[in-house]
Amino acid sequence: DGGITQSPKYLFRKEGQNVTLSCEQNLNHDAMYWYRQDPGQGLRLIYYSQIVNDFQKGDIAEGYSVSREKKESFPLTVTSAQKNPTAFYLCASMPPSGTGELFFGEGSRLTVL
Amino acid sequence: GQSLEQPSEVTAVEGAIVQINCTYQTSGFYGLSWYQQHDGGAPTFLSYNALDGLEETGRFSSFLSRSDSYGYLLLQELQMKDSASYFCASPGWGYQKVTFGIGTKLQVIP
Repeated sequence: DGGITQSPKYLFRKEGQNVTLSCEQNLNHDAMYWYRQDPGQGLRLIYYSQIVNDFQKGDIAEGYSVSREKKESFPLTVTSAQKNPTAFYLCASMPPSGTGELFFGEGSRLTVL
Repeated sequence: GQSLEQPSEVTAVEGAIVQINCTYQTSGFYGLSWYQQHDGGAPTFLSYNALDGLEETGRFSSFLSRSDSYGYLLLQELQMKDSASYFCASPGWGYQKVTFGIGTKLQVIP
């Protein structure tokens, strides 16, 4: 079945450590996105990529980094520079159909101890 | 830029109808989408309105008025399983940057 796979589902890290969240899709979509979700704040865009080897900052990119070396993969690194990294992270992709529909993975919940 | 506003919480009775509103301010507008998210889960796409009018999909309908910068999601014959958060969202130029509202938490009560 086609879809978006995020891993790990739950992750704990100590302050000062970088952590990388995986996002893989087999939907053959060009566009991919990373969102952060905090209670009561909806979904905020971290980074997005329209094509391999290209990506743009979203609204809250500080303290995060991404890469897009393959169409299927769009990993997100939460660096130690991110001051409040505990959150639910959602990866999504969009087909070129022009409907604006996003397909989401199941999310990764990061907790900083 | 884009901003979308929607109520934070709504409560409705099982079997009733509820309307969740969304107003937006955008530098360019390319349509309004709606998503449902149950606690702890991923958002799932419900509908998309590119043009003015009503789109119906089963018990759910979505409406858009571009002249009023306003849309709504209408849920009919509410069921307990409809208790979830509902987000309006809008894609930016070229359907690149999708911006979400803060979400409306719907509680369906017996």
